[in-house]
This record gives sequence, C-alpha cells and structure tokens, in this order.
Amino acid sequence: GDSVTQMEGPVTLSEEAFLTINCTYTATGYPSLFWYVQYPGEGLQLLLKATKADDKGSNKGFEATYRKETTSFHLEKGSVQVSDSAVYFCALNRGGTSYGKLTFGQGTILTVHP
Amino acid sequence: ETGVTQTPRHLVMGMTNKKSLKCEQHLGHNAMYWYKQSAKKPLELMFVYSLEERVENNSVPSRFSPECPNSSHLFLHLHTLQPEDSALYLCASSQDLGTEAFFGQGTRLTVV
Repeated sequence: GDSVTQMEGPVTLSEEAFLTINCTYTATGYPSLFWYVQYPGEGLQLLLKATKADDKGSNKGFEATYRKETTSFHLEKGSVQVSDSAVYFCALNRGGTSYGKLTFGQGTILTVHP
Repeated sequence: ETGVTQTPRHLVMGMTNKKSLKCEQHLGHNAMYWYKQSAKKPLELMFVYSLEERVENNSVPSRFSPECPNSSHLFLHLHTLQPEDSALYLCASSQDLGTEAFFGQGTRLTVV
C-alpha cells in the first residue's frame, strides 16, 4: 500500500537557519505530493504541492521538488522564522480510484528560536 | 478563515453520552472527509463522501456514524466512545476526489 516516511523530529533551529525536512514515499503510479502545515491549535493548511515528476512547489519561501527517481519530496527553506514553528506533514494522493485519499507521514515538529 | 468550519472546537464527553461533530464547507466542493489525529500517530482517514454518497469507510468502529445530508455539511455522530477515542477530529473538503483537500480547524475530543 501507499506510505509516506518523514524524518524524525523534533527539529529545533535558530532564526535564519536553513531548513530541510526529508520525505520519501511509496506508491504505485504517479501520485500528487503535498506538504501541509499545522500551527498550534489549528487544523492543517496546504503549504505547497507538486503533481508530476520534476515539478517544484513553492509558497512562503518553502520549496519542494518532486523527485521520482528517488521517490522523494524534501521540504526546504533558506531562512526560517519563529513564525514557522509548527508541525509539517508530507502527504500523497494517488487520485483516480483511490477516492482522493490522502496518505500522510507522521509529521515533523519544527521549533524555531529567536 | 479556511472555508471549512468545524463545531464545536472542543468537546468533553462521557463514555455513555451521545454527541455530534459538525462540519460545514463554503467552498462549493463535492467531496468531504473525516480524519482522526491521535497523539504520535499519522492522520487516519475515517470516511469519504463524494456528492453526498459514502465512498470509503476505513474499518471505523460503529460507534462513529457519519452523515452527509448535502454537499456542504458533514456530521460525525458519536456514541458509547472509549477513552482511546480522544483525539483531534479533522474535517476536510476537496473540489473532487483526487484534488487537494482543505481542512477545518478540528474538534478536540476528550472522552472521560
């Protein structure tokens, strides 16, 4: 079955540091890939997405590139801010007859200190 | 404002109570979902509705009963829950099956 594996957290960084959160996936066919972010006490918000190989999703300074050869979708940001502190979820969706079901990774907690 | 509104935000209920969670989406989407988020576990998909018809039920215990009276509203009826059912219950919607989902803020449920 489909699965998503994220790097273990929590991740603690100083403001303006470089961020990488690794994500790899297992799925048949050509899934769409997503990063969602969950701020404290809130639901999930879509951060960025990529729907085919070599696509780069970007939003709010975050980027992730769909790498089919390595089945990866790593999240990066060049300079994090305290306000980026949240839980980040990698997810995939095979669409079609999978009924739009999102398969999530376990989440990575990011804490950014001033 | 996410376009998907869940009520209540917090709920404490006893194991013999009956309660309902409500979700409303203002996005004109055709598909709606219930997810469960427990501590230290990945999000679990519980139910999927498309055009008001249930299309997936992921082996969820019968003490959870969904209802989708129209494409804008989704309910989760709860009865005789267990303490291990305490979790954040998230509702989501998408334009159609297979497109990205938009989430509500969740209902934090505590079963005592």
